Amino acid sequence: GQNIDQPTEMTATEGAIVQINCTYQTSGFNGLFWYQQHAGEAPTFLSYNVLDGLEEKGRFSSFLSRSKGYSYLLLKELQMKDSASYLCAVRDSNYQLIWGAGTKLIIKP
Amino acid sequence: IAGITQAPTSQILAAGRRMTLRCTQDMRHNAMYWYRQDLGLGLRLIHYSNTAGTTGKGEVPDGYSVSRANTDDFPLTLASAVPSQTSVYFCASSDRANQPQHFGDGTRLSIL
Repeated sequence: GQNIDQPTEMTATEGAIVQINCTYQTSGFNGLFWYQQHAGEAPTFLSYNVLDGLEEKGRFSSFLSRSKGYSYLLLKELQMKDSASYLCAVRDSNYQLIWGAGTKLIIKP
Repeated sequence: IAGITQAPTSQILAAGRRMTLRCTQDMRHNAMYWYRQDLGLGLRLIHYSNTAGTTGKGEVPDGYSVSRANTDDFPLTLASAVPSQTSVYFCASSDRANQPQHFGDGTRLSIL
């Protein structure tokens, strides 16, 4: 079967750095996406990785290792507004997205 | 403002009733999707459409139907609602299947 694993919840301090991990087992791989979802709102696109390595976009970076079936999202200089759920999704061989359950990130002052 | 509009925002429905959730996008995206999101689970694909006139089944299609008569609209119909269909429903679109998906604000549906 297809499976995406992420930690259920993480806590971090304002101004710090946090890494959210995602491991996957899917039928085929055509890219990995990270989305942010604030409570009661729609998911919004953060980053996309299709090749191994690090993609940096401002305070957010995303890393991919296809051989290990592993990705992480790195958030730097955390702000209170970063409190949200972070969703990992893998596009499979049918070009459909398989979603993890999301990691709820709690930022404390 | 370009984007995806879903209606209604929320709805309480009696079991056995028929319900259509509306989704309209003005970005001229080819692909559209319907997901349900339940607590503790990832988004699950119900149905999708890669282009106007075509539809396909996702992971959890039973009890739902869709149509794609034109590029902009992608309604989701529950023919006879059951309590297990209580969920938050998100419509999404992308220019092509290999592009990021953009989401509507969701419909919160409760079946009693």
